[in-house]
Amino acid sequence: DQQVKQNSPSLSVQEGRISILNCDYTNSMFDYFLWYKKYPAEGPTFLISISSIKDKNEDGRFTVFLNKSAKHLSLHIVPSQPGDSAVYFCAASVLSSSYKLIFGSGTRLLVRP
Amino acid sequence: ETGVTQTPRHLVMGMTNKKSLKCEQHLGHNAMYWYKQSAKKPLELMFVYSLEERVENNSVPSRFSPECPNSSHLFLHLHTLQPEDSALYLCASSPLAGAGQPQHFGDGTRLSIL
Repeated sequence: DQQVKQNSPSLSVQEGRISILNCDYTNSMFDYFLWYKKYPAEGPTFLISISSIKDKNEDGRFTVFLNKSAKHLSLHIVPSQPGDSAVYFCAASVLSSSYKLIFGSGTRLLVRP
Repeated sequence: ETGVTQTPRHLVMGMTNKKSLKCEQHLGHNAMYWYKQSAKKPLELMFVYSLEERVENNSVPSRFSPECPNSSHLFLHLHTLQPEDSALYLCASSPLAGAGQPQHFGDGTRLSIL
């Protein structure tokens, strides 16, 4: 049973618009969440993280929102650029043992020029 | 340049072969990890080393044997593998194991078992 779920395997967005990637989790003990981006033939690259004491974290064009009551987080990319086309993974852990990341299965984002 | 280098990038081996995957990090980190990514499945944590001590063995079969001779190098020794072990094997590192520190990944070794 997957503890971290990304229910949309793919998403297509027009350049300049907002991309919203979603992630749900089932384990209420999770208190640290990350997003990674992966290009083909490369390893995942860390994008942004959030701990459960916050409900929003922003870094440039990337914002992560956390809704603890719904056990849901989302990644917003504004404005989307063609170079953002990649697979995005969310991951979760318990902060006290945050080396143990549980990953979702990923969402493939395509940003159309 | 990711700072975490994995070799080889591709490996094809028979079920009776013995081979090793190598990972080297140039980031001065003290924790290193092995992950497995099978087709259409999420990344699965296999092993964690912190300051050269193994802190996690995530129910991995004994045909996978990790080795961490120092904080910059990590190996995964493979023997008598099965076809279902064909996957992408990713190495990662972080400054410490835990405390909210993002992991930095290598580009992986694509392993195919004949």
